[in-house]
Amino acid sequence: DAGVIQSPRHEVTEMGQEVTLRCKPISGHNSLFWYRQTMMRGLELLIYFNNNVPIDDSGMPEDRFSAKMPNASFSTLKIQPSEPRDSAVYFCASTFTAGGNSPLHFGNGTRLTVT
Amino acid sequence: QKEVEQNSGPLSVPEGAIASLNCTYSDRGSQSFFWYRQYSGKSPELIMFIYSNGDKEDGRFTAQLNKASQYVSLLIRDSQPSDSATYLCAVYSGGGADGLTFGKGTHLIIQP
Repeated sequence: DAGVIQSPRHEVTEMGQEVTLRCKPISGHNSLFWYRQTMMRGLELLIYFNNNVPIDDSGMPEDRFSAKMPNASFSTLKIQPSEPRDSAVYFCASTFTAGGNSPLHFGNGTRLTVT
Repeated sequence: QKEVEQNSGPLSVPEGAIASLNCTYSDRGSQSFFWYRQYSGKSPELIMFIYSNGDKEDGRFTAQLNKASQYVSLLIRDSQPSDSATYLCAVYSGGGADGLTFGKGTHLIIQP
């Protein structure tokens, strides 16, 4: 089991640029989550998918953020245009069931810095 | 707004002592409770979960749940320097995956 795989590990970009974060969930897991972590706000749920379908994107900060899951083994989180306040660590996590009753398995995260 | 509160710390504990981490939550209907450990620069990893009132033990870790007081704690016995990390409490209140709320974590330092 390779775990949840995220790329890139680090991303530094200039304000206004497009950023794409990638995630491969654990094989067999049917739910995928995107979280953002900052010192001020802690871990915040941005969006989650169940069986590749977006279920709740109410945590997405604004229209600059979008997420897709074209198949069971791949998801992207895109920020366009990026802003300095988007700087954070973005985690992808997966689990077997849709409900929050199941423990989450986190990827190593992408540390995003927008200058 | 469902809230999960933790003391941010740092909580400093001497090696070999018991470390006690506390978490309170606002939603009385909460069903499941998780403790994640996060080393600096790393991702959260699950170390304990508890669903029922009382204690649950796993090695040096004990989770304690008191639903009447809306309180969950994590005890670490014989604490080691390798236990130094941030501990995140997560509470599930039902209604799908968005019913899971994380606290901001307690930074634990085990002093050799």
